Amino acid sequence: QKEVEQDPGPLSVPEGAIVSLNCTYSNSAFQYFMWYRQYSRKGPELLMYTYSSGNKEDGRFTAQVDKSSKYISLFIRDSQPSDSATYLCAMSDTYNFNKFYFGSGTKLNVKP
Amino acid sequence: DAGVIQSPRHEVTEMGQEVTLRCKPISGHNSLFWYRQTMMRGLELLIYFNNNVPIDDSGMPEDRFSAKMPNASFSTLKIQPSEPRDSAVYFCASSYRDRAYEQYFGPGTRLTVT
Repeated sequence: QKEVEQDPGPLSVPEGAIVSLNCTYSNSAFQYFMWYRQYSRKGPELLMYTYSSGNKEDGRFTAQVDKSSKYISLFIRDSQPSDSATYLCAMSDTYNFNKFYFGSGTKLNVKP
Repeated sequence: DAGVIQSPRHEVTEMGQEVTLRCKPISGHNSLFWYRQTMMRGLELLIYFNNNVPIDDSGMPEDRFSAKMPNASFSTLKIQPSEPRDSAVYFCASSYRDRAYEQYFGPGTRLTVT
């Protein structure tokens, strides 16, 4: 079993829709949770970072962590065609927080 | 800021040849990471350095892979000899050591081994 599971999609939504992206994980020691966005043929870029449980909001993006269920989510409100990309979740634990475990990524397509 | 710089951007080589990938991290960052991305396995951490010292190389697939960081502004990932299964996109990333959640990735090197 992989440390981090993520539905690869692709996920296709109309412009303006609310998008929900999710990851599950098996390691209860994970404390740092990140979402990265990767455009085609580019390197990943950090979108959101959350430590431990709870919610975090940044503009149209909301990250949620539910440690009891080992489940994290990224919500995108009022999705735009420019949001079309692959979204990768990443996690690490307190003892080796430099070592990220990435999900396989969900490819999102927002249709105008 | 120029961001993380990687070279070459594309590399095509024949099986058995030596391949050297290069990375220049963002100035001031003291952690450097090498990742490999494939369709099958996704994005995997190969090795990372703190203050030019290798900390965790457990992701390096085999002895054919080696990485060095001779100074704070340069790192190499070498594959010798290369094999077709090494074909992938190799990313270098850097961060401040106490802000490792905020890794800045380079554009990647697309390696094809024929």
